[in-house]
Amino acid sequence: QKEVEQNSGPLSVPEGAIASLNCTYSDRGSQSFFWYRQYSGKSPELIMFIYSNGDKEDGRFTAQLNKASQYVSLLIRDSQPSDSATYLCAVRGGGADGLTFGKGTHLIIQP
Amino acid sequence: EAGVVQSPRYKIIEKKQPVAFWCNPISGHNTLYWYLQNLGQGPELLIRYENEEAVDDSQLPKDRFSAERLKGVDSTLKIQPAELGDSAVYLCASSLGTSGGDEQFFGPGTRLTVL
Repeated sequence: QKEVEQNSGPLSVPEGAIASLNCTYSDRGSQSFFWYRQYSGKSPELIMFIYSNGDKEDGRFTAQLNKASQYVSLLIRDSQPSDSATYLCAVRGGGADGLTFGKGTHLIIQP
Repeated sequence: EAGVVQSPRYKIIEKKQPVAFWCNPISGHNTLYWYLQNLGQGPELLIRYENEEAVDDSQLPKDRFSAERLKGVDSTLKIQPAELGDSAVYLCASSLGTSGGDEQFFGPGTRLTVL
């Protein structure tokens, strides 16, 4: 049974600070890792994906992957109130497999 | 480019009634997914289609749930009969299905309430 664990929060971060979101996964065969953002009442939208160890940066977002520790993180720099949402970590075995999601972390950016 | 389309957006039914959800994926996307999302939880995969073939339906409760994708484009998910515990958001997603890193695009979902 594949499992993805996230702290449900809420995680409260001051505006302009760095928000750090973490995720661990159980299946060592997982090959692709995704971060989705979900606003209340809306569907998930992809923020970033990563499948190699190390860091991947896209604007204010950085995804970090450590396969040995089975750990994925998302850093949001210069946090804005519009970043307030639930962030879902998801993993995939390979190819076009379905995603296994964590429960999500509720992030609140305080103005 | 139009996104994933789902209908209806909301549905309220009484328990034991049947219900159906419809999904139209992004044009050209061969892979279609149905997920279920309960409040405060992440989406859970119900079924994955490659064109018209259901390649992963291991999480679909087959006693009451069924799905089809007859021409490899639109898909319908059905519940018969519905139970109180089926109240959730049903999300459809699609992807090109070509590589490990390709993106799944989600539709707006259908919020089902079973009374």
